[in-house]
Amino acid sequence: LAKTTQPISMDSYEGQEVNITCSHNNIATNDYITWYQQFPSQGPRFIIQGYKTKVTNEVASLFIPADRKSSTLSLPRVSLSDTAVYYCLVAPLVSGGYNKLIFGAGTRLAVHP
Amino acid sequence: NAGVMQNPRHLVRRRGQEARLRCSPMKGHSHVYWYRQLPEEGLKFMVYLQKENIIDESGMPKERFSAEFPKEGPSILRIQQVVRGDSAAYFCASSPGGDKSGTQYFGPGTRLLVL
Repeated sequence: LAKTTQPISMDSYEGQEVNITCSHNNIATNDYITWYQQFPSQGPRFIIQGYKTKVTNEVASLFIPADRKSSTLSLPRVSLSDTAVYYCLVAPLVSGGYNKLIFGAGTRLAVHP
Repeated sequence: NAGVMQNPRHLVRRRGQEARLRCSPMKGHSHVYWYRQLPEEGLKFMVYLQKENIIDESGMPKERFSAEFPKEGPSILRIQQVVRGDSAAYFCASSPGGDKSGTQYFGPGTRLLVL
């Protein structure tokens, strides 16, 4: 499974756009990129997933360059409630949907007033 | 549709006792995963189960830990003769299976404290 590297922590202010970049130099052809969010004392929550180019949903956008060796999670206009740990995961999607998730330490985002 | 349920949310055990953690997957989900998280660390995969079958237990310690997902009822993670190092948050996740996205839905976790 491809190893991921992301910043340990980031700080931002309410209303700003936050971009968290994840490096995955050894990503395989059949790997997908998935981001999860975890609040204190809660389980991780799926945010977004992509394979290439750009994916957008109601929560975030995910930018993936052509070489797929990195990806950037973009959170538009963050609020205090976006303070959480964000995990970047890279794994293949095997038949039947079985996906053993490998979590790194994640990026601790702190949003300030 | 209720999410993944875990109970208890907090569990205190003395060394040598047994801990039983329960997980009820989302309705319609037949795949269950267990993860362990130590403070300030990411989640570590333990075991993956389908109904009545253990598919992958590569992350499970070889001794004292066991998991099951019976035909009826919740999935159980059982830790025998607990030690202080077992203190952690244990998360269960479920997925529908056959879903291409492989998205897993996590429960709120059980925080185990071993005294």
